[in-house]
Amino acid sequence: KNQVEQSPQSLIILEGKNCTLQCNYTVSPFSNLRWYKQDTGRGPVSLTIMTFSENTKSNGRYTATLDADTKQSSLHITASQLSDSASYICVVSASDYKLSFGAGTTVTVRA
Amino acid sequence: GAVVSQHPSRVICKSGTSVKIECRSLDFQATTMFWYRQFPKKSLMLMATSNEGSKATYEQGVEKDKFLINHASLTLSTLTVTSAHPEDSSFYICSATGWRAAGNTIYFGEGSWLTVV
Repeated sequence: KNQVEQSPQSLIILEGKNCTLQCNYTVSPFSNLRWYKQDTGRGPVSLTIMTFSENTKSNGRYTATLDADTKQSSLHITASQLSDSASYICVVSASDYKLSFGAGTTVTVRA
Repeated sequence: GAVVSQHPSRVICKSGTSVKIECRSLDFQATTMFWYRQFPKKSLMLMATSNEGSKATYEQGVEKDKFLINHASLTLSTLTVTSAHPEDSSFYICSATGWRAAGNTIYFGEGSWLTVV
């Protein structure tokens, strides 16, 4: 069964600090891995997408890494801002359309 | 970039009535659209996959007679919750992929809050 596990479930950080979110998956065959940011009550917004051959990808203060051998990915948030408070969802695709979702990590940034 | 629009964003309906949620791709042709349901603090749960011009494929455990999905055009898919009950209250999200988005990313709508009273 294809699974995506995210950790931690939630975290609280102070504004300006960095944090790293983890995603482990067992989806096979692997096509790509995406990180989404979802504000409460809104649809997910794409942050990064990585294929098998990509190890890292950045989008502003968000940097995602991928180790396809160990089936692990991380999302690093640099110099966090209050607006970074949201759920971050790891989504792994075994094909272009079949997605497996992680449960998400809820990030709370405090002033 | 490509945008997927959902309407309405919030709807309240009486128990026993039906409610329709629309999902539109605004600047690309969405050959495939997906409908998800999300409970508070839970991940998105895929309900069904719809391809333009054909019947939707429902995930196991999703009642196709209760959640009617129509994908009649390349820019519009609808989800109709029939004979709604309070337990159908949830956040429903659509996503779409198509000629412009295929192989790049899948775009999500903003979601629709359904409250059945």
